[in-house]
Amino acid sequence: AQSVTQLDSQVPVFEEAPVELRCNYSSSVSVYLFWYVQYPNQGLQLLLKYLSGSTLVKGINGFEAEFNKSQTSFHLRKPSVHISDTAEYFCAVVREYGNKLVFGSGTILRVKS
Amino acid sequence: GAGVSQSPRYKVAKRGQDVALRCDPISGHVSLFWYQQALGQGPEFLTYFQNEAQLDKSGLPSDRFFAERPEGSVSTLKIQRTQQEDSAVYLCASSLMVLAPYNEQFFGPGTRLTVL
Repeated sequence: AQSVTQLDSQVPVFEEAPVELRCNYSSSVSVYLFWYVQYPNQGLQLLLKYLSGSTLVKGINGFEAEFNKSQTSFHLRKPSVHISDTAEYFCAVVREYGNKLVFGSGTILRVKS
Repeated sequence: GAGVSQSPRYKVAKRGQDVALRCDPISGHVSLFWYQQALGQGPEFLTYFQNEAQLDKSGLPSDRFFAERPEGSVSTLKIQRTQQEDSAVYLCASSLMVLAPYNEQFFGPGTRLTVL
């Protein structure tokens, strides 16, 4: 079975500051990793995904994430956040040749002016 | 283009009532998923369809939960004799392909169910 841990339930940050949202996973088999964003009253939107290859993955809205197999981590970063980035962010995994996503508990990013 | 739609967006039910939640996936998408998202938690898998076949229902919390997709398109999640612990957002997702990593899931806006 797979599990995902997002240790930070909320991350407050000032506008234009950098941010890192942490994600660690556990799995006995190979997995693919994802970050989703959820704006209020909206569905989940895919930010980026790691399938294979380069461990640094770039996504939409200036976000990027780095896959670290030895530390079983997939932290999300953005060098300069905007007010509009305020949302909840979910890390998720799916096992190779699987289909259902396993999500972390989410991190609320609050960007302050 | 049209994304995944869900209806109703909000549902209030009295304890003991039956409810039906509808999902319209993206046209042509083979796979359809239901997830339950409790307040302050991440989504949790409920059930999965490949076309009209329900291949995995391991996440359904009790036999009060029932899902169907009779024609391989629209799906309905039914909850019988609702309980307060059923209060959550129910998310539907669809994907064109079947297996990871090719089955990117597209999510609907969810149905927020409140059981009083």
